[in-house]
Amino acid sequence: DVKVTQSSRYLVKRTGEKVFLECVQDMDHENMFWYRQDPGLGLRLIYFSYDVKMKEKGDIPEGYSVSREKKERFSLILESASTNQTSMYLCASSTPYLTGEGAQGDTQYFGPGTRLTVL
Amino acid sequence: AQKVTQAQTEISVVEKEDVTLDCVYETRDTTYYLFWYKQPPSGELVFLIRRNSFDEQNEISGRYSWNFQKSTSSFNFTITASQVVDSAVYFCALTGAGSYQLTFGKGTKLSVIP
Repeated sequence: DVKVTQSSRYLVKRTGEKVFLECVQDMDHENMFWYRQDPGLGLRLIYFSYDVKMKEKGDIPEGYSVSREKKERFSLILESASTNQTSMYLCASSTPYLTGEGAQGDTQYFGPGTRLTVL
Repeated sequence: AQKVTQAQTEISVVEKEDVTLDCVYETRDTTYYLFWYKQPPSGELVFLIRRNSFDEQNEISGRYSWNFQKSTSSFNFTITASQVVDSAVYFCALTGAGSYQLTFGKGTKLSVIP
């Protein structure tokens, strides 16, 4: 079974603190993703990585950065946490269904989520 | 641009009733993939099914079934004989060929009442 783990289920931080959210997957997946989930807004992609040290911005990257030094680990960093970053953060990983035309419709597998509160 | 619409925000049913969750999508891609995920109260999104745009056969897995109709751009999910453990938020999602990104609907919260 695919296993995606996140370092904390619940986290409380103060405004201005630097926050690290860690995600680890054990299936040797190439791709990893960070989403945030908010009521009424659904899931929104923050950043994703398709290889070690490679990253791409998602729909809402402002205020966040990421790090992928090893294939199995993808970190989300809030450089200076703000109250509007209070949210549920979900990590996911996937490996491509490779066909002659390249990656096709990967299935993403999610971790349990980290509920972050910034006071 | 891709879009997924789940018009039903919340549904309540009594245990053992059948329930259908609607999903309508928009895409300009000719090759695309559709997904359903379940998010129980614990928070983790659980993968249920992946479907490509060339396979319009309906799928059944136990009490779960999926009806994919390209003509109406819909990918609906039916739970037969619902159970309390089916209570969760269900998300429909879409991605195009060669894309890493999933576009999610806003989700439908299903409550199954004993």
